[in-house]
Amino acid sequence: DAKTTQPNSMESNEEEPVHLPCNHSTISGTDYIHWYRQLPSQGPEYVIHGLTSNVNNRMASLAIAEDRKSSTLILHRATLRDAAVYYCILRDGTSGTYKYIFGTGTRLKVLA
Amino acid sequence: GAVVSQHPSRVICKSGTSVKIECRSLDFQATTMFWYRQFPKQSLMLMATSNEGSKATYEQGVEKDKFLINHASLTLSTLTVTSAHPEDSSFYICSARKTANTEAFFGQGTRLTVV
Repeated sequence: DAKTTQPNSMESNEEEPVHLPCNHSTISGTDYIHWYRQLPSQGPEYVIHGLTSNVNNRMASLAIAEDRKSSTLILHRATLRDAAVYYCILRDGTSGTYKYIFGTGTRLKVLA
Repeated sequence: GAVVSQHPSRVICKSGTSVKIECRSLDFQATTMFWYRQFPKQSLMLMATSNEGSKATYEQGVEKDKFLINHASLTLSTLTVTSAHPEDSSFYICSARKTANTEAFFGQGTRLTVV
């Protein structure tokens, strides 16, 4: 299974940008990089995904390194509602099912 | 984003009984659905992958006779926990995906408590 490595926790001040890093040195050429976040007692929420190019949507931006061995999720202005566990996931295509294997994620705390 | 709905959101059952959890994709057809289990303060653990009309593929260590998965249509998958025991108490989460190259959307989760 392709693996990702994220810091266990990060803190940010409200209204400031947050950069959440993810290392995925064993990524294969066809693996998409997905980010989800999970609030307590809820299912994960889709944030963004990409393959090679940087991606932007209304929630966040995804910056992907040129060698694709790392990526960064960027929240442009953190709010208290962004406090969650953020998961960086590689879609695992080795078995043909393209399943999502969750790592430990980064718990983001947003300070008022 | 697309909507995936789980039912029930919370269930309490007695030891030895079976409980069924439903997962529906409300506004798209899901060729693949996934079932996860999450214990407190832990990450999601993939239990099985199911494709519509096929038998589910279980992850190593997950008992297929205990966790019965049915994916009878493109919008519905069910997980039945058979002969439940207190150690099966957990947060069960499903996700659904239209195709292999699209993002997966998750249900809100079902908290199962076995007493």
